[in-house]
Amino acid sequence: ETGVTQTPRHLVMGMTNKKSLKCEQHLGHNAMYWYKQSAKKPLELMFVYSLEERVENNSVPSRFSPECPNSSHLFLHLHTLQPEDSALYLCASSQDRQGGPQHFGDGTRLSIL
Amino acid sequence: QKEVEQDPGPLSVPEGAIVSLNCTYSNSAFQYFMWYRQYSRKGPELLMYTYSSGNKEDGRFTAQVDKSSKYISLFIRDSQPSDSATYLCAMSLNNNDMRFGAGTRLTVKP
Repeated sequence: ETGVTQTPRHLVMGMTNKKSLKCEQHLGHNAMYWYKQSAKKPLELMFVYSLEERVENNSVPSRFSPECPNSSHLFLHLHTLQPEDSALYLCASSQDRQGGPQHFGDGTRLSIL
Repeated sequence: QKEVEQDPGPLSVPEGAIVSLNCTYSNSAFQYFMWYRQYSRKGPELLMYTYSSGNKEDGRFTAQVDKSSKYISLFIRDSQPSDSATYLCAMSLNNNDMRFGAGTRLTVKP
C-alpha cells in the first residue's frame, strides 16, 4: 500500500469547470511535489513545497493553483483547463528538499473534454 | 540536447533473460541516481537509489553508475513476467530537483 494517496483516481471535466486534486502522504515527509506525466514524455515538475512553503514554480500556467495547508496534504486546484492539460498528475513526497528519494502516489488521470 | 536520454523501447524479452536498461545524461553535476518502475495505471515505485559512481545490488536488480561516461544502467537477472512495466531513470543534484528519462517499456514474455 502506497504511503502517498491521491484522489480522485480519474477525473473528466469540461474546460469551464473547477475541480481540485488531493494528495496525502503518510510518511512524515517535509517536502511535497506535483508532476505532470504525458505519454512518452519525461515527468514534468510543476510545483514544490517544503515545510508548507512553495519553493519552486516551473512556469506553470495560472490555471493550475497549488495549495499546501500542512506538511501532509497537498492540493492542485484546476480551472479553465485546456485539452492539452489532459495527463496523469502525480504527487510525490520526500524527507526534505536536500536529498533522499521521492515517493509517488498512483496519480489522477485527468481528461479535459 | 535533452538533459536525460532514455530509449523508450519497447523492449521485449523471454522469461529468464537478462535485461539491460540504460540512460545517458548531460549534466556532470548530478550526484543521485534512481530507477523507478511504473506499472500500468500506477505511480512510479522506487527500485534503486544510488549516490555517485559504482554498483548497487538488490536481489535480481543491479544498478550501475559511470559518472565519467555520464551513463547509468539497470540490470534485471532472471526476468519474470511480473517485471513487465515501464522503467524510469532519474537523477538529481544535491537539492533533490530530479530530472527524469522518458521511460523504457519492458515486456517479459512467459
